[in-house]
Amino acid sequence: QQQVKQSPQSLIVQKGGISIINCAYENTAFDYFPWYQQFPGKGPALLIAIRPDVSEKKEGRFTISFNKSAKQFSLHIMDSQPGDSATYFCAASNQAGTALIFGKGTTLSVSS
Amino acid sequence: NAGVTQTPKFRVLKTGQSMTLLCAQDMNHEYMYWYRQDPGMGLRLIHYSVGEGTTAKGEVPDGYNVSRLKKQNFLLGLESAAPSQTSVYFCASSPRQGNEQFFGPGTRLTVL
Repeated sequence: QQQVKQSPQSLIVQKGGISIINCAYENTAFDYFPWYQQFPGKGPALLIAIRPDVSEKKEGRFTISFNKSAKQFSLHIMDSQPGDSATYFCAASNQAGTALIFGKGTTLSVSS
Repeated sequence: NAGVTQTPKFRVLKTGQSMTLLCAQDMNHEYMYWYRQDPGMGLRLIHYSVGEGTTAKGEVPDGYNVSRLKKQNFLLGLESAAPSQTSVYFCASSPRQGNEQFFGPGTRLTVL
């Protein structure tokens, strides 16, 4: 069974701090690793994604770190803001696969 | 562009009733997906389609049927609703496999 394991389930960070969410996968054929952000009452939206040919990708305050040998990837949110409070999902897929396999989500709360 | 739209936004059914959820996208995407989201379970794939006239089963297809008669529409049907189908349903589309999926706003379904 293909799985993506995400941790922690919930996270509380102070404003200005660093939020870190981790994911681990099993299928070495995965070649696309996106992170989705979901606000209450809304659908998930793509935040940032990485492919395994690079070990890190940064977009503004959001960074994905990718460790192919450990089959792990993580999302780092620098200078966390109250507006970042949302649920974050990691996911994985491959070109020959059916669809995205999602982690179970992390609820982030940034306190002001 | 409206992106991905879903109707209805909310619905309450009694056990045994049937209904159809409609998903429409105006981005000319080939791939469309139906997910359900339950607390602590992440997003689980119900059915998907890789093009007009095609459908395939995902992770949790039992109790659901789908149709993709037109490229822009993907319908999800519940023939005999059960309380276990109480969930938030999301439709998504993507131009091709292994790429960003665009999600609709969701349908909250309650089965009594």
